[in-house]
Amino acid sequence: DTGVSQDPRHKITKRGQNVTFRCDPISEHNRLYWYRQTLGQGPEFLTYFQNEAQLEKSRLLSDRFSAERPKGSFSTLEIQRTEQGDSAMYLCASRTGEKTQYFGPGTRLLVL
Amino acid sequence: DQQVKQNSPSLSVQEGRISILNCDYTNSMFDYFLWYKKYPAEGPTFLISISSIKDKNEDGRFTVFLNKSAKHLSLHIVPSQPGDSAVYFCAATRLNSGNTPLVFGKGTRLSVIA
Repeated sequence: DTGVSQDPRHKITKRGQNVTFRCDPISEHNRLYWYRQTLGQGPEFLTYFQNEAQLEKSRLLSDRFSAERPKGSFSTLEIQRTEQGDSAMYLCASRTGEKTQYFGPGTRLLVL
Repeated sequence: DQQVKQNSPSLSVQEGRISILNCDYTNSMFDYFLWYKKYPAEGPTFLISISSIKDKNEDGRFTVFLNKSAKHLSLHIVPSQPGDSAVYFCAATRLNSGNTPLVFGKGTRLSVIA
């Protein structure tokens, strides 16, 4: 039984660089979520996919952020022109029709 | 504005005793609530959930209580074990909402002392 996986687990980048993260959900899960967690806060919703369709984006998702789920399986989250304020843990979660979301281990991003 | 609040940033409990973690919410549209446990450098792990049609749900050592009129829920862990030491997040959502993103509190750090 494989859970949600995320790659890379850690990323250090310089301000202004682009980064891309990948999420592989649990195989039968058609719904996929991205969240961001900063120090001392709970995870905050970024965006949601049902199959390959991106159905909702949070106001936290600025135009420097883009997410895709091209074949309704894995998803990528790209941040362009990174800023120090983008430093956070990026979490992916997936679910089926039932309501519980299962999270991956996260990608910790540090922007220098 | 915080729709889900965990007002205690930390809690220390002796091994074998009961741990009670509290959570308040402001949005009356929330009708499904979850608790997650998180270790450092890992993603949140689902513990237990409750629908608003219930006032209690139990799973082993974990029990969640919901008081809808007070917009309050609590997680009870009995007996507490050192391995329970982690950050616990309360989350809420709407069952009938199409995308059901979770809204999280800021978490409570539980330390179980042997």
